[in-house]
Amino acid sequence: AQSVSQHNHHVILSEAASLELGCNYSYGGTVNLFWYVQYPGQHLQLLLKYFSGDPLVKGIKGFEAEFIKSKFSFNLRKPSVQWSDTAEYFCAVKEYNQGGKLIFGQGTELSVKP
Amino acid sequence: DAGVTQSPTHLIKTRGQHVTLRCSPISGHKSVSWYQQVLGQGPQFIFQYYEKEERGRGNFPDRFSARQFPNYSSELNVNALLLGDSALYLCASSYWDGPIGYTFGSGTRLTVV
Repeated sequence: AQSVSQHNHHVILSEAASLELGCNYSYGGTVNLFWYVQYPGQHLQLLLKYFSGDPLVKGIKGFEAEFIKSKFSFNLRKPSVQWSDTAEYFCAVKEYNQGGKLIFGQGTELSVKP
Repeated sequence: DAGVTQSPTHLIKTRGQHVTLRCSPISGHKSVSWYQQVLGQGPQFIFQYYEKEERGRGNFPDRFSARQFPNYSSELNVNALLLGDSALYLCASSYWDGPIGYTFGSGTRLTVV
């Protein structure tokens, strides 16, 4: 069965540090890839998505992610984090012909110290 | 514009009871999906409906059922509640069934005692 693995459960950074959160998936076919963010007390919000084309995807709030097909990876990056980026981040994968079924990783909690 | 709305926001039920959770998608969205998020884990897919037809079902027991109405709103029903059903239940909507982003609601926090 398809699975999604996020390498870090909890990441602690100081403001202005660079961020990279790892995400790997197991499915070998065509996939759609997503990163969602959940700020404390709020609902899941879409940060960015990849469907096809340029494997470097830019999202909201300065986040970007790179799809590396050969490594089955979709890592999230931000050059300089802010305190307001403190949240939980979820990577999700959808197999191309699987309708609305998103498979989520277990999430990475990011804490940014001011 | 109203986002995805879910009701109720919080619910406490006793083991063995039945619960109905409701979701109204964004206006114009025809696809609704349900997810269960247990504390400390990522959301797990339960069901997807598109144009009132079931398009996908996750690995959940038959105690879980859902339906979509002509106005594209949806209900998730859970029978014979167990303590392990305590979770945040999320609804997500999208315009169609293809490769597109999904907008999530704030969820219903279900506690089974």
